[in-house]
Amino acid sequence: GAVVSQHPSRVICKSGTSVKIECRSLDFQATTMFWYRQFPKQSLMLMATSNEGSKATYEQGVEKDKFLINHASLTLSTLTVTSAHPEDSSFYICSARVIGTGGYYGYTFGSGTRLTVV
Amino acid sequence: KQEVTQIPAALSVPEGENLVLNCSFTDSAIYNLQWFRQDPGKGLTSLLLIQSSQREQTSGRLNASLDKSSGRSTLYIAASQPGDSATYLCAVPFMGNEKLTFGTGTRLTIIP
Repeated sequence: GAVVSQHPSRVICKSGTSVKIECRSLDFQATTMFWYRQFPKQSLMLMATSNEGSKATYEQGVEKDKFLINHASLTLSTLTVTSAHPEDSSFYICSARVIGTGGYYGYTFGSGTRLTVV
Repeated sequence: KQEVTQIPAALSVPEGENLVLNCSFTDSAIYNLQWFRQDPGKGLTSLLLIQSSQREQTSGRLNASLDKSSGRSTLYIAASQPGDSATYLCAVPFMGNEKLTFGTGTRLTIIP
């Protein structure tokens, strides 16, 4: 089945530094990927939609200069948290839309990245 | 407003019992409906995907149904096991919107 690999699974960084999270589609091409953030015991909150070769579309209230998204190829999207602060500590998950036979599609998710900013 | 709701928010049942999780959505114009499970601190694992033209899908002990006209889906888990303990999420892409709208989730605990 369609697999999305997300790395790193955990990262601890100092306040003020930047962190990059990678999301790769392993056995399919992902023209569209999605980045979510999840707070403890809450559902996923969509941050942005990234499309290969074009600028990402950010949800309302998400700072695009803080959360840089790059989708340079059909198999790789990255999220860079710039100048991270403790309030950016969260669980980040990527997702890709999978086009199947007959045009049907579903979504597959990465394993998530736990970011802790100290 | 397009919303997805799950009831109950939490459920505890003894091992071996059959159970049903509910999902409702406010707009019947959907592409499909997907059920996921999430273990603590982990990503989402897709369980079942039902296309809008389908009524149900089965995988092992899991059976998901879809009634678009009433805006409802159910996930039936047979012969529950402690390993089924997780949070279950349903999600739909409403037509005209490629983004997934998630339900609020049901936290399931199977008591050994």
